[in-house]
Amino acid sequence: EAQVTQNPRYLITVTGKKLTVTCSQNMNHEYMSWYRQDPGLGLRQIYYSMNVEVTDKGDVPEGYKVSRKEKRNFPLILESPSPNQTSLYFCASSSDRGHGYTFGSGTRLTVV
Amino acid sequence: AQTVTQSQPEMSVQEAETVTLSCTYDTSENNYYLFWYKQPPSRQMILVIRQEAYKQQNATENRFSVNFQKAAKSFSLKISDSQLGDTAMYFCAFMGPGTASKLTFGTGTRLQVTL
Repeated sequence: EAQVTQNPRYLITVTGKKLTVTCSQNMNHEYMSWYRQDPGLGLRQIYYSMNVEVTDKGDVPEGYKVSRKEKRNFPLILESPSPNQTSLYFCASSSDRGHGYTFGSGTRLTVV
Repeated sequence: AQTVTQSQPEMSVQEAETVTLSCTYDTSENNYYLFWYKQPPSRQMILVIRQEAYKQQNATENRFSVNFQKAAKSFSLKISDSQLGDTAMYFCAFMGPGTASKLTFGTGTRLQVTL
């Protein structure tokens, strides 16, 4: 089944403790993105990647890191999480503009 | 920068009725794509319908159709014969020319389908 898999689905952590949210797609898509969803703000792009080793900032990149060492994987790293990063996070991938993005099932992150 | 506006935070419709969700966008580009995504309580983001800007014909997917007015930069979603399973958050989204690097979302409309 074609899908984007992200883990974990839920995560509660403490301020300052480094964490990684994994994302993998099995559709051989070139484009991958991370979004965060907050009430009243919709989805905002954090980082995106156009291919292996090619990444760039989205609209809200502060406090996040990404890497794209393999085409299928695009992990999101929070080096020192803070409470304002409490949010719902989505990983997504795409082959071309016309198909939009296929989304993972989301990660609910709470930073206390 | 492109912006997407959904001016209806919440809407309600009775089962079997028709409802229209509004979306406007701002861009200086001529070649772009527009999308509607559905997010049910399961929080999964599901693509409902897509529209290519250079196609004048409005897209249709079963009970879902759009009214695309390019000059007015308007892209509304019409849901016919509403069902309880249509209860969800609906997001309008824009993808500009060039790469598939970014999808810009509106703030969403929460739709409640009632008996």
